[in-house]
Amino acid sequence: GQNIDQPTEMTATEGAIVQINCTYQTSGFNGLFWYQQHAGEAPTFLSYNVLDGLEEKGRFSSFLSRSKGYSYLLLKELQMKDSASYLCAAMDSNYQLIWGAGTKLIIKP
Amino acid sequence: GAVVSQHPSWVICKSGTSVKIECRSLDFQATTMFWYRQFPKQSLMLMATSNEGSKATYEQGVEKDKFLINHASLTLSTLTVTSAHPEDSSFYICSASPAGSDYNEQFFGPGTRLTVL
Repeated sequence: GQNIDQPTEMTATEGAIVQINCTYQTSGFNGLFWYQQHAGEAPTFLSYNVLDGLEEKGRFSSFLSRSKGYSYLLLKELQMKDSASYLCAAMDSNYQLIWGAGTKLIIKP
Repeated sequence: GAVVSQHPSWVICKSGTSVKIECRSLDFQATTMFWYRQFPKQSLMLMATSNEGSKATYEQGVEKDKFLINHASLTLSTLTVTSAHPEDSSFYICSASPAGSDYNEQFFGPGTRLTVL
């Protein structure tokens, strides 16, 4: 079956760095997405990886290892506004997104 | 660019009534739109995939006669919750993929919070 695993909740300190891991198993693979979702709002796109390696976008970076079925989202210089749920989603061979349950990130001062 | 709107943002209705939710891509054409439902503290659950001009593809366990989807144009899809019941209360979110996008990225609407009394 198809499955996405990511931690349920993580806590980090303002100004620090946090890494949110995601492992996936899908029928075929057409890329890995990370979305940010604040409480009561819709998800917003953060990143897309389809090739192995690290993609950096400002304070956020995303890494993919296709052979390991593994990705992580790295958030640097954490700000209070980064408190949100982070959703990992893998696209299968039918271009359908398989969603993880999300990781709730709590930022403490 | 790539803005998706939803209307209404929230709706309260009586049990047994029908509710229509609109999803519009404002600055791009979307051959494919997706409808999701999200219960509190849970992840997104895909309900159906809607392609312009054809019937929607429903996920297993989603009643197509209860959740009517129409994708009449490249910028508009509607979800109608028929004979709504309290258990249908949820956050409904649509997303759209721009036609010809490189990696089928989905842009999400702001969501519609439905409360059925």
